[in-house]
Amino acid sequence: DGGITQSPKYLFRKEGQNVTLSCEQNLNHDAMYWYRQDPGQGLRLIYYSQIVNDFQKGDIAEGYSVSREKKESFPLTVTSAQKNPTAFYLCASSPRKDREQYFGPGTRLTVT
Amino acid sequence: SQQGEEDPQALSIQEGENATMNCSYKTSINNLQWYRQNSGRGLVHLILIRSNEREKHSGRLRVTLDTSKKSSSLLITASRAADTASYFCATDAVGSGNTGKLIFGQGTTLQVKP
Repeated sequence: DGGITQSPKYLFRKEGQNVTLSCEQNLNHDAMYWYRQDPGQGLRLIYYSQIVNDFQKGDIAEGYSVSREKKESFPLTVTSAQKNPTAFYLCASSPRKDREQYFGPGTRLTVT
Repeated sequence: SQQGEEDPQALSIQEGENATMNCSYKTSINNLQWYRQNSGRGLVHLILIRSNEREKHSGRLRVTLDTSKKSSSLLITASRAADTASYFCATDAVGSGNTGKLIFGQGTTLQVKP
């Protein structure tokens, strides 16, 4: 059963704590992406990776970090430096740069 | 940076009617994609149209692209209550370094009443 999974679905953290969101895919896709979605808004790109051990900043990378040690996995850490971390986070993967993206179900992070 | 602007922001129709959503963008593109998002869920890819294409069909979906006007439209024919969702256009802009980066619009929320 191929797909892209994100866990957990809901995450609650206290302000000042770092938190890591999981994203795993078994589609054998090279490219992976992290987006942030705020209520009533479109998606904004946080980080992306086109190949293992390589990643680039997107439009809103400040306060976030990623790693890409394995092709299947692209975890996102929301650090305490992120000023407004409460949001819906979506991970996606793509077989090629000019192809459609496949999205996970998302993680809703609430920081209080 | 938001390249795509979608119009209307919200649309409410009766089941069986057609729904048309529009997307305008600012810079030249390699391709334009439409996605659907049910409330609180991930996005689902609908159609990808390349810059050298003018129209594509997939089932009840029809997408047009006018690169001279930098605009695209998504038509859903014979809508169903299950089509109720938010629809987003996303552009793969020329000059993005061939990275596959997409820039998403803010979306159109479609409600189809039974």
